[in-house]
Amino acid sequence: DTGVSQDPRHKITKRGQNVTFRCDPISEHNRLYWYRQTLGQGPEFLTYFQNEAQLEKSRLLSDRFSAERPKGSFSTLEIQRTEQGDSAMYLCASSSLFNEQFFGPGTRLTVL
Amino acid sequence: GQQVMQIPQYQHVQEGEDFTTYCNSSTTLSNIQWYKQRPGGHPVFLIQLVKSGEVKKQKRLTFQFGEAKKNSSLHITATQTTDVGTYFCAGLSGANNLFFGTGTRLTIIP
Repeated sequence: DTGVSQDPRHKITKRGQNVTFRCDPISEHNRLYWYRQTLGQGPEFLTYFQNEAQLEKSRLLSDRFSAERPKGSFSTLEIQRTEQGDSAMYLCASSSLFNEQFFGPGTRLTVL
Repeated sequence: GQQVMQIPQYQHVQEGEDFTTYCNSSTTLSNIQWYKQRPGGHPVFLIQLVKSGEVKKQKRLTFQFGEAKKNSSLHITATQTTDVGTYFCAGLSGANNLFFGTGTRLTIIP
């Protein structure tokens, strides 16, 4: 399978716990994006990497969120001290220079 | 901040009828992309429009980019049950992040 993969697909956690999600982009894509999507809404941009450099981060992203792409391949998104409002689908996408983004299946987070 | 609005929010059509969704941006866009998301699925890229006034067709789907590069539309002719899903426009305004619209959810009555 050469598409974008995300792990885990589902995560249930208690409020206050930390969670980490992983995204493996299409191997030849140097751009990687994280989005959050809630029910009935479009994906909301969180952050963007070009290779290992994090070039943009949404102003809506609180300090509890951090993302890395240490070797310019896979990426991780960590949420510290989760809150119920963090419950959402977290989508990863990758692209080459042509801007068409390929999305992964997402990680559905439920914070109890 | 940048906003991308879509209308209608929902559309129910009889199979075989046409469908149109409209996208409006508060700022001029460098390009616009359209994605389709099936229920329970993830967004899938349909097309990208770059030029002012550009029109592109994919079988029964026609995409337009406005002259001012602030609006766009997607028209589906003779809808089929496989067209069910939510259609999102997403605008790129020079930076590298896409601003997704609110989406139009299409349901088909067989």
